[in-house]
Amino acid sequence: QQQVKQSPQSLIVQKGGISIINCAYENTAFDYFPWYQQFPGKGPALLIAIRPDVSEKKEGRFTISFNKSAKQFSLHIMDSQPGDSATYFCAASISNTGKLIFGQGTTLQVKP
Amino acid sequence: ETGVTQSPTHLIKTRGQQVTLRCSSQSGHNTVSWYQQALGQGPQFIFQYYREEENGRGNFPPRFSGLQFPNYSSELNVNALELDDSALYLCASSLVAGSGTGELFFGEGSRLTVL
Repeated sequence: QQQVKQSPQSLIVQKGGISIINCAYENTAFDYFPWYQQFPGKGPALLIAIRPDVSEKKEGRFTISFNKSAKQFSLHIMDSQPGDSATYFCAASISNTGKLIFGQGTTLQVKP
Repeated sequence: ETGVTQSPTHLIKTRGQQVTLRCSSQSGHNTVSWYQQALGQGPQFIFQYYREEENGRGNFPPRFSGLQFPNYSSELNVNALELDDSALYLCASSLVAGSGTGELFFGEGSRLTVL
């Protein structure tokens, strides 16, 4: 019940395309859903986060869509760029306590 | 503003040995969380320290222990190392204020290899 399931495991997108990564959770007590970006040799960095009282949040080219009834949320990267090539992790926690449950990660490659 | 720094960056140990990893939190942050990231996997929460006390623990055995010091820096200790302990160990600092924890800022990690 504590798991967060992420798909796909890997993704290849052409420059300018849309990258979509999906996550699903079971624990309805989760109320904070961040996405992290990790480059090789670096620690994860917060990209964007959402709480379940909204269905969508947009920051620049990055959008989170949230479906509370389906217990799913997704990251959309518009106009994907080669610099977006990284591993992306969804995560969830209760009350943003810093005790995050991470998904398994998606390795994104954006081809020029 | 100083970010989260971890040391050492890489180390190699043998089974049964003990290891200590260190973390300096970002300036102004009072909480440190430790995560284990196995190769190709997402980070897993080990434990969190707030005001020098453990403030929550994940599904890790007691041979994983930690400390937080008055300057908010932290140590992760692992005793009786096993091969499966080989992983990237990430430290993240944050500021607990009000009812929640702010954004987690991760360090670059300590890569532990157990032979």
